Amino acid sequence: GENVEQHPSTLSVQEGDSAVIKCTYSDSASNYFPWYKQELGKGPQLIIDIRSNVGEKKDQRIAVTLNKTAKHFSLHITETQPEDSAVYFCAASTYFGNEKLTFGTGTRLTIIP
Amino acid sequence: SAVISQKPSRDICQRGTSLTIQCQVDSQVTMMFWYRQQPGQSLTLIATANQGSEATYESGFVIDKFPISRPNLTFSTLTVSNMSPEDSSIYLCSVEAGQVPTFGSGTRLTVV
Repeated sequence: GENVEQHPSTLSVQEGDSAVIKCTYSDSASNYFPWYKQELGKGPQLIIDIRSNVGEKKDQRIAVTLNKTAKHFSLHITETQPEDSAVYFCAASTYFGNEKLTFGTGTRLTIIP
Repeated sequence: SAVISQKPSRDICQRGTSLTIQCQVDSQVTMMFWYRQQPGQSLTLIATANQGSEATYESGFVIDKFPISRPNLTFSTLTVSNMSPEDSSIYLCSVEAGQVPTFGSGTRLTVV
């Protein structure tokens, strides 16, 4: 089955700097890659996703890049703010919706004011 | 996107007892997914629930321990049976709505 690895496990950045979190996946058939933000005591919230037919997607301060050849994808957060502090999870799925997600191990991001 | 309501939001239970978690969605969905998130860990899929058929369980999870009901297209329950402290986790339901996997806020279970 699919295996998703995520690095780093913890990340601290100064407010205003950029943060990058990287994930690799094993199943070349995977074609959907969402990123979730989980704040303490809450369920995961989708922040951005990318499908295999594009290499990059951006939404304001957040961007995701996908390299299908290398089987890795990354989350980029620019101009970080204290409210970006949370645990971030990447995930991969083989099918377009209606299919289980395999999650990475999570990255605890701390923004230092 | 769908709005998912989970009940209870948290509970503390005695070992050996069972807890049923409810998941209600504000729209009809084909599949509902149940995940477990152990303390400080990532999310692991327990099972996929289709309306009108038996749930499909992932490796390491069995129906006797985690029975699931799916009586209609907007509702599902997950029961954690004969609980032990190792079952202390956050249990989350998820649906795919608008082509986006969406999660409920979870049920934080502590077994003592």
